[in-house]
Amino acid sequence: GEDVEQSLFLSVREGDSSVINCTYTDSSSTYLYWYKQEPGAGLQLLTYIFSNMDMKQDQRLTVLLNKKDKHLSLRIADTQTGDSAIYFCASKEDYGQNFVFGPGTRLSVLP
Amino acid sequence: DAGVTQSPTHLIKTRGQHVTLRCSPISGHKSVSWYQQVLGQGPQFIFQYYEKEERGRGNFPDRFSARQFPNYSSELNVNALLLGDSALYLCASSLVAGGTYEQYFGPGTRLTVT
Repeated sequence: GEDVEQSLFLSVREGDSSVINCTYTDSSSTYLYWYKQEPGAGLQLLTYIFSNMDMKQDQRLTVLLNKKDKHLSLRIADTQTGDSAIYFCASKEDYGQNFVFGPGTRLSVLP
Repeated sequence: DAGVTQSPTHLIKTRGQHVTLRCSPISGHKSVSWYQQVLGQGPQFIFQYYEKEERGRGNFPDRFSARQFPNYSSELNVNALLLGDSALYLCASSLVAGGTYEQYFGPGTRLTVT
């Protein structure tokens, strides 16, 4: 089955850019998502990208997709302390119901 | 607009007991999915329901069951609880059940099995 991997920790200084990386194994993954989870809360959808796109930008967020290498990244510009959270990458097939999540990357933003 | 709501917020049960978790989707959303999130891991898909019918099932034992009601709210039932069932149970709702559906998650129910 599909496997989604992420590095577990990332630490950046406030104001710097953060880049969170994700790799997936299933080439039939059609949609790729980024979710944010703050302590004690559910998951917040940040953005998603279709597999036929290379890049998507949404305010401070930039998603890059390398379909050949099955690599997805989320760049957060001008990272703020409020961005400290766990970020999950998830994949989904076009007609499937199953979202497959990675283990999450804990982002710590240092003042 | 109200988001996805779940009840209860926290629950403590004993091994072997039964539990029922509840979820109300965003108004207008017809699909509800359930996920289990064990501490330190990403969510794992349990079920998806759309228009009161099961549309997908993850790799969970038959002790897990769910249903969706005419108002699109949903219940997740777990029988014969095991210690390993301790987790955050997340409900997510979406407008439709296929394609690029955007899922919106509730805050979860924290289940502790002792």
